[in-house]
Amino acid sequence: GAGVSQSPRYKVAKRGQDVALRCDPISGHVSLFWYQQALGQGPEFLTYFQNEAQLDKSGLPSDRFFAERPEGSVSTLKIQRTQQEDSAVYLCASSAFAGTGGVNDGYTFGSGTRLTVV
Amino acid sequence: RKEVEQDPGPFNVPEGATVAFNCTYSNSASQSFFWYRQDCRKEPKLLMSVYSSGNEDGRFTAQLNRASQYISLLIRDSKLSDSATYLCVVNRFNKFYFGSGTKLNVKP
Repeated sequence: GAGVSQSPRYKVAKRGQDVALRCDPISGHVSLFWYQQALGQGPEFLTYFQNEAQLDKSGLPSDRFFAERPEGSVSTLKIQRTQQEDSAVYLCASSAFAGTGGVNDGYTFGSGTRLTVV
Repeated sequence: RKEVEQDPGPFNVPEGATVAFNCTYSNSASQSFFWYRQDCRKEPKLLMSVYSSGNEDGRFTAQLNRASQYISLLIRDSKLSDSATYLCVVNRFNKFYFGSGTKLNVKP
């Protein structure tokens, strides 16, 4: 597709339920990022993949959060035993840029998955 | 202290006004800088990159002061369609740090 695609757009989960959020990056993009955006706040970094390698997962808030990108394209963010504080919009972004240097081009974000834990 | 600080606003301005937003960042090792725009219940979209030399894109001018760790965005001749939240973003080793955003309301 032309842009970053995320599914589902909306997810309501009961507390304690496991959820899986999917991200289809722009075709050929090597870098993929997950961010969490709470209401009224800016997005916060969760994790970063370069191809299939998860190079940075320092932003994952707990061991209930797990992300994978097994073939270097589609990524899944899994949250186990969801809690109310997990309610947020989860944004995925991709970039053709690879490496650890600075970038001069911003990333393209998907429309996000709005997770509500009840 | 947050990595990127912004005035949350809201800035309420009439159409045609000039409005300026500022943000500060705390880590001098930050490598690149951006302004993103976010409409209500939508994803952030890149507005423009920010360079030390200053850069302009139509009605929008962005400026970076590395010595003061300060980023600005100037919008001239505001349009109703400029109403949104503007996010200041710094990048350091492929990790974006976002401010909480500054809300702009342009009124007729």
